[in-house]
Amino acid sequence: GAGVSQTPSNKVTEKGKYVELRCDPISGHTALYWYRQSLGQGPEFLIYFQGTGAADDSGLPNDRFFAVRPEGSVSTLKIQRTERGDSAVYLCASSLTRTSMNTEAFFGQGTRLTVV
Amino acid sequence: AQSVTQLDSQVPVFEEAPVELRCNYSSSVSVYLFWYVQYPNQGLQLLLKYLSGSTLVKGINGFEAEFNKSQTSFHLRKPSVHISDTAEYFCAVRKGGSEKLVFGKGTKLTVNP
Repeated sequence: GAGVSQTPSNKVTEKGKYVELRCDPISGHTALYWYRQSLGQGPEFLIYFQGTGAADDSGLPNDRFFAVRPEGSVSTLKIQRTERGDSAVYLCASSLTRTSMNTEAFFGQGTRLTVV
Repeated sequence: AQSVTQLDSQVPVFEEAPVELRCNYSSSVSVYLFWYVQYPNQGLQLLLKYLSGSTLVKGINGFEAEFNKSQTSFHLRKPSVHISDTAEYFCAVRKGGSEKLVFGKGTKLTVNP
């Protein structure tokens, strides 16, 4: 596709339920990032994939959060036992290679998650 | 840990007026600095970045920013704004060797006719 695609665009779930958020990066991009943007805040880093492996997951807030990228393309962010505090916009970005190699990260429009 | 402070949460200006959006970051040996713009219902878009070299950086849509190491600042400027510049602007920093962007809380720029 032309850009980073995130689905669904909106997700409402009940407290305690499990959710999956999907990210389709730009074709050929090896680096993929997840960020979370709470209301009134800037995006906060969650996890970075280089290829299929999670190279840095230091931003995942607790063990209810998990992300995968099994074939080095599409990634899924999984949240177990959702809490109201998980409500936020979840942003995905991809880059041709590591951004520390001075490539640009392109962001998707995000998935707005609301836990009721 | 790195941190970014955007001093103004909201900045209202009139069309064709100049604007400066302020950004300060916590000091580190080597950092790279970025400004992103987020239009309503759209993803973050890179405006400009400072990696090395000239401290005055020019970006898209007529924006520019100046890296000031002694003041640990990276303020964004535009000499004459348009209604279409109405958006939220985020300053971000990345530490050398890291893939992690640390964002400020954002500044909402509203350009009024």
